Amino acid sequence: LAKTTQPISMDSYEGQEVNITCSHNNIATNDYITWYQQFPSQGPRFIIQGYKTKVTNEVASLFIPADRKSSTLSLPRVSLSDTAVYYCLVGAILYDFGNEKLTFGTGTRLTIIP
Amino acid sequence: AAGVIQSPRHLIKEKRETATLKCYPIPRHDTVYWYQQGPGQDPQFLISFYEKMQSDKGSIPDRFSAQQFSDYHSELNMSSLELGDSALYFCASSLSGGGGDNEQFFGPGTRLTVL
Repeated sequence: LAKTTQPISMDSYEGQEVNITCSHNNIATNDYITWYQQFPSQGPRFIIQGYKTKVTNEVASLFIPADRKSSTLSLPRVSLSDTAVYYCLVGAILYDFGNEKLTFGTGTRLTIIP
Repeated sequence: AAGVIQSPRHLIKEKRETATLKCYPIPRHDTVYWYQQGPGQDPQFLISFYEKMQSDKGSIPDRFSAQQFSDYHSELNMSSLELGDSALYFCASSLSGGGGDNEQFFGPGTRLTVL
């Protein structure tokens, strides 16, 4: 599995856009990039997934450059409730024998300041 | 919508005792995963089951075992508990089979404390 590197922590003020970048230099051709969010004492929650270019959903955008060696999670207009740990994961999607396990690295602890 | 159910939510055991954690996946999900998250640590994969068969194994101690039953619920059995087993144990489920984003849905976790 491709190893990922993210900043350990980030601070941001409410209402700002937050961008968290993840490096995954050894990403394989069939790997997808997935981001999860985790609040204290709760299970991780899926945010967004992509393979290349840009993906957007109702909570975030994911930017992936052409070489796919990095990705950026963008959270628009953050609020205090976005304070959490954000994990970048890279792995393949298997369609025949169950999905692949999630390998969590050290996530980014995002703190939103009022 | 139905979510992943885990029981018990909290469990306190003594060293060398045994514990059984239960997980009820989202209906129609065919894959169940177990993760362990120690204090201040990141979640670590333990084991997974696809269609009631073990599909992958991570850093699960030999003292632990797990299985998935015919109704798709799963149990994680932990014996000879050690202080270091104190952690949050998450169960997750997903639906495989082509298309989609392979999202894993996590349960609320079981907090195990070993005294």
